[in-house]
Amino acid sequence: GQQLNQSPQSMFIQEGEDVSMNCTSSSIFNTWLWYKQEPGEGPVLLIALYKAGELTSNGRLTAQFGITRKDSFLNISASIPSDVGIYFCAGQHNYGQNFVFGPGTRLSVLP
Amino acid sequence: DSGVTQTPKHLITATGQRVTLRCSPRSGDLSVYWYQQSLDQGLQFLIQYYNGEERAKGNILERFSAQQFPDLHSELNLSSLELGDSALYFCASSVVRGPGGANVLTFGAGSRLTVL
Repeated sequence: GQQLNQSPQSMFIQEGEDVSMNCTSSSIFNTWLWYKQEPGEGPVLLIALYKAGELTSNGRLTAQFGITRKDSFLNISASIPSDVGIYFCAGQHNYGQNFVFGPGTRLSVLP
Repeated sequence: DSGVTQTPKHLITATGQRVTLRCSPRSGDLSVYWYQQSLDQGLQFLIQYYNGEERAKGNILERFSAQQFPDLHSELNLSSLELGDSALYFCASSVVRGPGGANVLTFGAGSRLTVL
């Protein structure tokens, strides 16, 4: 089935640093979503992207819908300890269809 | 509270048994999705329902089945359970709108199944 690739797989950063992660696909998506999951909890939506080239911010988070429609990027600025968790990207080919999830990027923030 | 309700939150059972997981979608959402997440793994799509009808099927085992009822709640049935079925099972719902509309997944808190 369709696969999404996320990189890096995991990262350890110092508090206050900026973070960048990306998600790539071999096929085109019409919607990209970014989620954060904390241990024992369900994924929580961070940012939704619907248009190629779109750049959307949510506080310290900024995500972009790649112009090729095959990738998306998430940046976190000035990281804090509560940013710890697993960040998943999800793509949808067409409206109403199922969403495909990437394997996640595990973020650890060191004080 | 995401508005998506899943029960039970935790379930411990033995191999060979059958369990039913229940999901109530967020008010107004017609589509329900089921995902499986094994330990430290990503989210594997199982099945999607829209307004009572199956819309898409992922890597769902034949031992698993699901349905969406007229009131839009959904149940995931897992039978002949094996140790490897131990996982978090998430339900998510979405409102299906046309291009440009809000089309996102809202997840429940999950049901943690442990098969002993």
